[in-house]
Amino acid sequence: GDSVTQMEGPVTLSEEAFLTINCTYTATGYPSLFWYVQYPGEGLQLLLKATKADDKGSNKGFEATYRKETTSFHLEKGSVQVSDSAVYFCALSGVGDKIIFGKGTRLHILP
Amino acid sequence: DVKVTQSSRYLVKRTGEKVFLECVQDMDHENMFWYRQDPGLGLRLIYFSYDVKMKEKGDIPEGYSVSREKKERFSLILESASTNQTSMYLCASSYPSAGSSYNEQFFGPGTRLTVL
Repeated sequence: GDSVTQMEGPVTLSEEAFLTINCTYTATGYPSLFWYVQYPGEGLQLLLKATKADDKGSNKGFEATYRKETTSFHLEKGSVQVSDSAVYFCALSGVGDKIIFGKGTRLHILP
Repeated sequence: DVKVTQSSRYLVKRTGEKVFLECVQDMDHENMFWYRQDPGLGLRLIYFSYDVKMKEKGDIPEGYSVSREKKERFSLILESASTNQTSMYLCASSYPSAGSSYNEQFFGPGTRLTVL
């Protein structure tokens, strides 16, 4: 069945460092791809999305490109801030309006 | 501002108790979902609903039931709570895709349930 695999955390970086969180997927058909973020004490919220191959989603300085040839949707940010500390979930749209989530990657940014 | 609210942020119950977790959304969404979130396991889908009075089992429905009597409200019920149901419970809602490929889910803040 459809699935998402993302790098395990925690990931610890210093402020202003470059961030990459790897995500690959397995899916039949052409799913939409998402990155959700969960800040401490909150529910998940959509960070960015891409609906077809070669689309680039972007928001708050984060970017991810839908790569069909490598079945990947890696999350990147050029210069992270302490406020980016959170758990990040890669996800894809499944059958019947369901979303299939990866296990999440916890990110710690040190000042 | 779109909103999904959950009845409690923290809940402590005893083994064997019947537990109700309530979720309300104000976006007129047809779809509603219940997940549990556990360290190292990510989000796992318990139950979901496409419409009032409708319910579908997710990946881990055992030990749970749901109720959807009104469109905006989706309740998760633990008939007889057990310690292995200690977890974070997240509710979400969305519009139906209706052929489009984009179906963002909006999440509530979560209920952290501890069963003693």
